[in-house]
This record gives sequence, structure tokens and C-alpha cells, in this order.
Amino acid sequence: AQKVTQAQTEISVVEKEDVTLDCVYETRDTTYYLFWYKQPPSGELVFLIRRNSFDEQNEISGRYSWNFQKSTSSFNFTITASQVVDSAVYFCALSEVMTTDSWGKLQFGAGTQVVVTP
Amino acid sequence: EPEVTQTPSHQVTQMGQEVILRCVPISNHLYFYWYRQILGQKVEFLVSFYNNEISEKSEIFDDQFSVERPDGSNFTLKIRSTKLEDSAMYFCASSEGTEAFFGQGTRLTVV
Repeated sequence: AQKVTQAQTEISVVEKEDVTLDCVYETRDTTYYLFWYKQPPSGELVFLIRRNSFDEQNEISGRYSWNFQKSTSSFNFTITASQVVDSAVYFCALSEVMTTDSWGKLQFGAGTQVVVTP
Repeated sequence: EPEVTQTPSHQVTQMGQEVILRCVPISNHLYFYWYRQILGQKVEFLVSFYNNEISEKSEIFDDQFSVERPDGSNFTLKIRSTKLEDSAMYFCASSEGTEAFFGQGTRLTVV
């Protein structure tokens, strides 16, 4: 069963538009972590945010913001005033904390390609 | 800032050959992982390693694969008898227990 669903395969926007990436997850655990990673064309995985299951506060970091809603099992990511440098694949991931050495075992969504054109 | 480093960044190998992908985790981390990303697809968990042994592995991680921590700093992934479908980006990650830090990846191309 798919644990992390990113239904949007690709989103194209014009620079300065906002873009929201959806992430829906599935878990029976009460303790878990959610992540967002950015993968630019160069291929590396860039950590953006980690959120634990007990912290439902939304977070803003510069042009990035995250909306975590346990009631709908969603952890959406918004880029405000997009720039060309935001063009990348964005992955949502889930870590179900079953044992101490599970912390780093992430289950990734399929990713959303964001294309920002000037 | 501490980081996970992987070498080489790109490796080309002939089908049937063995390859070893190398990783230097962050020095105080105790948990180590390998992930694979076939081109255009999602990142997939391969194996986790703790206390000098495999703690969990996915169905992808069959007898063709092995991991080792040969000394106090390196963490390696060995792929025996490579196949064309092993072509992918391989990511190493390490964790101190709260989150995983990823290396920049090794792109493996099997020809």
C-alpha cells in the first residue's frame, strides 16, 4: 500500500506565482515524522523540513510554508512568489518510528516536478 | 556543517561487473542507510545498518547486494554482477536518531 501520495506529477507556473504541492500520507502509528526534500536537476536531495506528528503548527521559512493537517493526513507545501531556481522535483516522505533505527528509513512519495518559467 | 560524502559521483560499469559505492557518514552518527532512485522514479529504501549489522532491508536488497562498514568511517554498498536495471542514483544517508542526512548520490550507469 502506498504510504505517501503526491498526486501531482508536474506543476508549471510562471515566475512570481504561488505553487502548492500536495502530500497525503497513510500510517497507523501515532508517532511519525514527515519531510519535504528538494531534488534540483543536479540530483542531490536537499532537506527542506521535518515535522513530527505531535506538532501541527504550520511553519513558514522565507518563501516556503507548510500546512500539516492530521485530520486529513496531509502535509502540503507552498512556495510563494516562485522563482526559476525553484524548478526541481519535490518529494514528500514519511518516517514511521517503530524502532530507534527506523528514524532514517523514509518512505518517499513519487515526487512533483515543479517548472517555473520566467 | 557536517555532511555525508559519497564517492564516486558517477560510475560507469560493464554488465556483470562488481561495483562498490562508498560513503562517509557524519562522524557521530550510528545509523546508516542506502537508497536507490531509478531515473525519473521515486527514492526507494534499500537497507539500514546499525551496530555493524543490517537492521532492515527491502525486497530490492537481494543477494546481489551487500553492505559493510570496513572501518570506523566508511560505509559501502557492493553490487555483484551488475545488471542494466541496476542503473540508478544511489544515495547514502546517516542518522543520529532523529533525521537522516543524505549524501549527494552516486550515479551508477551499467552498460
